[in-house]
Amino acid sequence: KQEVTQIPAALSVPEGENLVLNCSFTDSAIYNLQWFRQDPGKGLTSLLLIQSSQREQTSGRLNASLDKSSGRSTLYIAASQPGDSATYLCAPRDRDDKIIFGKGTRLHILP
Amino acid sequence: EPEVTQTPSHQVTQMGQEVILRCVPISNHLYFYWYRQILGQKVEFLVSFYNNEISEKSEIFDDQFSVERPDGSNFTLKIRSTKLEDSAMYFCASSGWVSYNSPLHFGNGTRLTVT
Repeated sequence: KQEVTQIPAALSVPEGENLVLNCSFTDSAIYNLQWFRQDPGKGLTSLLLIQSSQREQTSGRLNASLDKSSGRSTLYIAASQPGDSATYLCAPRDRDDKIIFGKGTRLHILP
Repeated sequence: EPEVTQTPSHQVTQMGQEVILRCVPISNHLYFYWYRQILGQKVEFLVSFYNNEISEKSEIFDDQFSVERPDGSNFTLKIRSTKLEDSAMYFCASSGWVSYNSPLHFGNGTRLTVT
């Protein structure tokens, strides 16, 4: 059964800093991994999708990496802004087509 | 940009009542999902649906739950006899024609409150 762990659980950093969010998963037999952000009381917004054959995926100031064999993914956010404040969720998609979520990292960017 | 829409945004019901949560997935998507998030907890998989049948379901998705695609656009989740512990945010999601290569798109959710 897939288990997803995200570290840290919460993070506060000053605006402008670069930061890394970590995700680990127990079952490496995945199709892909998706990163989402969730604002309080809202739905989930897809940020990046990395296929199992890929190592990295970039979108603007976001870069996600995947090391499938070791069950790890990182989300790198460059030049953080207050609007980046949200909860970030990592979600690998397993071979049963289920996407399993971690508890997320709650990010707060200080102006 | 196409989006998944869910109605209502908030539903209050009494314990024991039936509720139907509605979703309109993105129009050319073929794979549909329901997830739920109890307040303060993580997002949990309930069920996946493809080609008019359930493809996977979790332990949470017991006989009290059912899903249906009654026409070409709607996707519904029915809870037959609601319990207090069913109070949660319910998210509908859909993905494209090759599910395992396509990103999952979520709606904004329906907050279900059972009193």
